[in-house]
Amino acid sequence: IAGITQAPTSQILAAGRRMTLRCTQDMRHNAMYWYRQDLGLGLRLIHYSNTAGTTGKGEVPDGYSVSRANTDDFPLTLASAVPSQTSVYFCASRPTGTSFDEQFFGPGTRLTVL
Amino acid sequence: KQEVTQIPAALSVPEGENLVLNCSFTDSAIYNLQWFRQDPGKGLTSLLLIQSSQREQTSGRLNASLDKSSGRSTLYIAASQPGDSATYLCAVRSGTYKYIFGTGTRLKVLA
Repeated sequence: IAGITQAPTSQILAAGRRMTLRCTQDMRHNAMYWYRQDLGLGLRLIHYSNTAGTTGKGEVPDGYSVSRANTDDFPLTLASAVPSQTSVYFCASRPTGTSFDEQFFGPGTRLTVL
Repeated sequence: KQEVTQIPAALSVPEGENLVLNCSFTDSAIYNLQWFRQDPGKGLTSLLLIQSSQREQTSGRLNASLDKSSGRSTLYIAASQPGDSATYLCAVRSGTYKYIFGTGTRLKVLA
């Protein structure tokens, strides 16, 4: 693989169910991010991780949790999905310690919660 | 609180026209600014990254400028083509992890 992969591509989920969105990067970037994109609201940061073993809350963290056990993987878990979590979710990564620190994005996961 | 605005929200131009997309931000204390392209139903593709110490960056037909003091960045697209049709997003990095995105300009280049 090259870049960032996300799985699944899309998912329809019943409210109350638990769901984990997967994100894997092969660029050895230290920083990783989860965003949600909603019409009219743009991209909003859910959680971030500056390096393996550390995570932090973004702008809209409620109802979501993340873990960063290693450099490559950054899964996002919805413990008990609600309809307001219907959105397109993007994972991103960024190298640190360099001036070439642009963000790279995955293809996204379209999630519908009914 | 940093806010990022992109005007206009949508733009249609004939093929071959040179055009400028605007991005404004309220807090000049930024690390960098990044321009992205997003095609319908797809992820974001990075176009240009401008560090806070830089004034402009160029890549092919694209040129991005940054004026921190006035809180503005522009993305200049030369000789536009139908394949340039997409939504263009700017994002300001305001902290170690904090990125604030504009809501984008939806561009349509007419053949």
